[in-house]
Amino acid sequence: AQKVTQAQTEISVVEKEDVTLDCVYETRDTTYYLFWYKQPPSGELVFLIRRNSFDEQNEISGRYSWNFQKSTSSFNFTITASQVVDSAVYFCALSSQGDSWGKLQFGAGTQVVVTP
Amino acid sequence: GAGVSQSPSNKVTEKGKDVELRCDPISGHTALYWYRQSLGQGLEFLIYFQGNSAPDKSGLPSDRFSAERTGGSVSTLTIQRTQQEDSAVYLCASSERGLAGGDEQFFGPGTRLTVL
Repeated sequence: AQKVTQAQTEISVVEKEDVTLDCVYETRDTTYYLFWYKQPPSGELVFLIRRNSFDEQNEISGRYSWNFQKSTSSFNFTITASQVVDSAVYFCALSSQGDSWGKLQFGAGTQVVVTP
Repeated sequence: GAGVSQSPSNKVTEKGKDVELRCDPISGHTALYWYRQSLGQGLEFLIYFQGNSAPDKSGLPSDRFSAERTGGSVSTLTIQRTQQEDSAVYLCASSERGLAGGDEQFFGPGTRLTVL
């Protein structure tokens, strides 16, 4: 069965600090995609990043970066130099070949609170 | 361009009544998804459409829930004989292809359903 675990319920930081969100996933499939979504207080889920199971290269996109390690089934996400607008709930999600591709399996989410 | 739209934004109903929730996906997107977000259960997958067919209905919680999609566009989620545990935010998403995997899913603002 597919499963995504986000152990951190809430993280509070002061503006300009870095924030790292943990995500651990479980799947028996060899082909899968991992995602991070952001849900600000307005409620609408916003796509942030995506990584497929065959590409473990870690990247940086603006203030966002991610660390994908298949050996530990982890897909951690970092916000560098956090800003108040980063305050939101962040969800890690998994989509896999064996699960019809048709659905995202979400983690429970991590609430990020950035204070000025 | 226009994003995913959902109506109504809020729905209050009495236990036992039927409700219909509507989703207008992004034009040209072949895949459409319904999710439910509640405090106790997090983000749960309900059903996935590829065109007008639903290859994955595995998330529908009971036979009181049904969904259809017509013309490869608009979708309606129907809940019959609503129960208080159906209270949640119902989210719709669409993606360009779906079956290819890895597609970014674009989410609508959701319909908040309250069953009294």
